[in-house]
Amino acid sequence: NAGVTQTPKFQVLKTGQSMTLQCAQDMNHNSMYWYRQDPGMGLRLIYYSASEGTTDKGEVPNGYNVSRLNKREFSLRLESAAPSQTSVYFCASRGAGDTQYFGPGTRLTVL
Amino acid sequence: RKEVEQDPGPFNVPEGATVAFNCTYSNSASQSFFWYRQDCRKEPKLLMSVYSSGNEDGRFTAQLNRASQYISLLIRDSKLSDSATYLCVVNDPSNYQLIWGAGTKLIIKP
Repeated sequence: NAGVTQTPKFQVLKTGQSMTLQCAQDMNHNSMYWYRQDPGMGLRLIYYSASEGTTDKGEVPNGYNVSRLNKREFSLRLESAAPSQTSVYFCASRGAGDTQYFGPGTRLTVL
Repeated sequence: RKEVEQDPGPFNVPEGATVAFNCTYSNSASQSFFWYRQDCRKEPKLLMSVYSSGNEDGRFTAQLNRASQYISLLIRDSKLSDSATYLCVVNDPSNYQLIWGAGTKLIIKP
């Protein structure tokens, strides 16, 4: 039982490049989330998916797109990376009682 | 005003001491409350949920004060391994989201 997995763990991009961050959960959870965390700040929600087939914007969606591929997988895409998107990205899924379970994170640097 | 506010610290505490953190939240309709722990450069992990009646898990005690809209975490007999950032989390009852505080950094010194 792996919980929530994310790939890649680290990534360096040049400004303007695109990439997709992958996330998968094996806990049969309906809701999944993408956050970013910057130094000294709390987690900020980028997008979430309340259930398979639905996605909604969070607090900071600009510059990102998401796909809920199936119940297990929720990907985050940066179409044209900018230095302001340098951050740690966490994927999470929501279990019983609003508890969220996190993947290990992706550390992204945009040069 | 931030929706969930925490003292960022750091709290520098000697091993064996008792330490307490508070967190305030702005949405009086929130129903779910949590403390998460985050080690440096790692993902947040659930420490404990916070119930209206208060709850205890070993050396950790969480309290909820709905009237004043704050949540507290008490750590007794602190260990070196308790050094981490503690995140206060509250649900937004209008959607499926959680609202995260920026965290309180705790450093336990030998």
